Amino acid sequence: DIQMTQSPSTLSASVGDRVTITCRASQSLSSSLAWYQQKPGKAPKLLIYKASSLESGVPSRFSGSGSGTEFTLTISSLQPDDFATYHCQQYKSYPFTFGGGTKVEIK
Amino acid sequence: EVQLVESGGGLVQPGGSLRLSCVASGFTFSDHDMDWVRQAPGKGLEWVGRIRNKANGHTTEYAASVKGRFTFSRDDSKNSLYLQMNSLKTEDAAVYYCSRNPGSGSISDYWGQGTLVTVSS
Repeated sequence: DIQMTQSPSTLSASVGDRVTITCRASQSLSSSLAWYQQKPGKAPKLLIYKASSLESGVPSRFSGSGSGTEFTLTISSLQPDDFATYHCQQYKSYPFTFGGGTKVEIK
Repeated sequence: EVQLVESGGGLVQPGGSLRLSCVASGFTFSDHDMDWVRQAPGKGLEWVGRIRNKANGHTTEYAASVKGRFTFSRDDSKNSLYLQMNSLKTEDAAVYYCSRNPGSGSISDYWGQGTLVTVSS
């Protein structure tokens, strides 16, 4: 199975900050990586797919980059609505696997 | 509007069985692969598996942790997805989500609200 490692597990930031979350895969994914946002008690929401493609309706302050084994999710200017947990997921091969999640907290 | 609504969660004893349902609306259900994803309390997301669309013969993929105990099925005439869970273990306790694969890339673009399964004696 492909192991996904996200860092950091928790991130404290302020409104307006630039935030970067990293996801590393145990083997190459090419670009088969997605990012999801999840708020407490809610289902995940797709933000980014194919490593860098922005899902329709997602604000442009979110961006994804990377290929192979290292990927990043960047929020260019953190907004109050962005405080949430972020998950990466590989869909290169079965079983699909998620990273452990990164909780973005208010500093 | 795409909607996915899960039901069937509840309290079950270890070794017991439970059947979850997911009713879809707002899209042509038979065209889409569907996934199950779970989340144990306070933990991350775990992909449980997939049932493919009609064109792909409703074939399935399972995570190793549930293979042989869980069974996916679907009734395209009812726009419904099912998860039959047998021989439940305490570690199966989680919120179970169904999600839709849009057809391009194996991502989940729409998710249900989830249904909670508690496994305890």
